[in-house]
Amino acid sequence: EAQVTQNPRYLITVTGKKLTVTCSQNMNHEYMSWYRQDPGLGLRQIYYSMNVEVTDKGDVPEGYKVSRKEKRNFPLILESPSPNQTSLYFCASSDRGLNTEAFFGQGTRLTVV
Amino acid sequence: DQQVKQNSPSLSVQEGRISILNCDYTNSMFDYFLWYKKYPAEGPTFLISISSIKDKNEDGRFTVFLNKSAKHLSLHIVPSQPGDSAVYFCAASAVAGTSYGKLTFGQGTILTVHP
Repeated sequence: EAQVTQNPRYLITVTGKKLTVTCSQNMNHEYMSWYRQDPGLGLRQIYYSMNVEVTDKGDVPEGYKVSRKEKRNFPLILESPSPNQTSLYFCASSDRGLNTEAFFGQGTRLTVV
Repeated sequence: DQQVKQNSPSLSVQEGRISILNCDYTNSMFDYFLWYKKYPAEGPTFLISISSIKDKNEDGRFTVFLNKSAKHLSLHIVPSQPGDSAVYFCAASAVAGTSYGKLTFGQGTILTVHP
């Protein structure tokens, strides 16, 4: 089954404690990206990757890091989480770039206290 | 700076009637537009898209209209069904310029279809 898998689904952490949200896709897609969803703001792109070892900033990259060492994985790293990073996060992948259907993961609900 | 705007936070429609969801954009470099649907506790799912070289794209009950001069697109659902109740996001991308590689979403519109 074609899918994008994020882990964990829910996470409560404390300010400053480094965390990683994993994302894996099984469709051999080249393009992967991370979004955060906040009330009234919709989905905002954090980082994206057009292929292995190629990553770039989206609209709200501050406080986040990513890596793309393998095609299937695109982890999101918060080196020092802060309460304003409390949000719902989605990973997505698509074939051949942006202008095709993107498949989204189930989401990760992150709370930073 | 919200480059893609959905000015209606919510829309309520009777089953069987038409639902019209609207989206406006400001970046003239956008050349591809997509609609996604999102149910609670799930990730968004792709619904329909349109290239800027077209003004209409149809897929079953869903039709997207693009008015480039007005920088406006709309999604029509006919007939609306209770299962269509969800949050609808429009999104836009560009093949060039500073927005290349990015997918920009609107704030979303909550559609409720009443039986």
